[in-house]
Amino acid sequence: AQSVTQLGSHVSVSEGALVLLRCNYSSSVPPYLFWYVQYPNQGLQLLLKYTTGATLVKGINGFEAEFKKSETSFHLTKPSAHMSDAAEYFCAVSESGNNRLAFGKGNQVVVIP
Amino acid sequence: GAVVSQHPSWVICKSGTSVKIECRSLDFQATTMFWYRQFPKQSLMLMATSNEGSKATYEQGVEKDKFLINHASLTLSTLTVTSAHPEDSSFYICSARPNLGGGHQPQHFGDGTRLSIL
Repeated sequence: AQSVTQLGSHVSVSEGALVLLRCNYSSSVPPYLFWYVQYPNQGLQLLLKYTTGATLVKGINGFEAEFKKSETSFHLTKPSAHMSDAAEYFCAVSESGNNRLAFGKGNQVVVIP
Repeated sequence: GAVVSQHPSWVICKSGTSVKIECRSLDFQATTMFWYRQFPKQSLMLMATSNEGSKATYEQGVEKDKFLINHASLTLSTLTVTSAHPEDSSFYICSARPNLGGGHQPQHFGDGTRLSIL
């Protein structure tokens, strides 16, 4: 069964600084990987996804993530944090042919002015 | 595109009441929809997979008689919390996976339903 590890429940970053959220996954088959963002009292919005092909994936709002099979990682980055980036971020994995998503515990990002 | 509408967004009701939550895919068809539960400051827990025209698949530990799921069309799934009690209070979120597009389509999420049982 697939699983996701996100360390550090709260991440503080200064406005304009690099945002880095780490995600490591476990999967018995080639995974599909996703990053979602959740604002308070809302559902999840897809930031980006990796299925096949290019390992560096660009998403919305300036975010990108790189799939590294050797490290079983899919870390999310953004070069310069904005105040509007303050939210909860979830990494998720599903196995090919399996629609079910397994989510990490999430990172609450706080942006310091 | 790929909008999922969830209704109601908030509901407060008395203990013992049954509550129905709707999940609609507005601009796409979805044979498969999912229901999640999220506790405060925690991640999403998959409750069940809703399959159009057939029975839902429940995750281990989720009472199927407590959480009734109906997926009667390609754009609508409903979750009914029967005889709700305070411990059922939570944030419930649905998602839908588009039928078209090929490859592995991501799930698109509704905005969630905040359920409070008094």
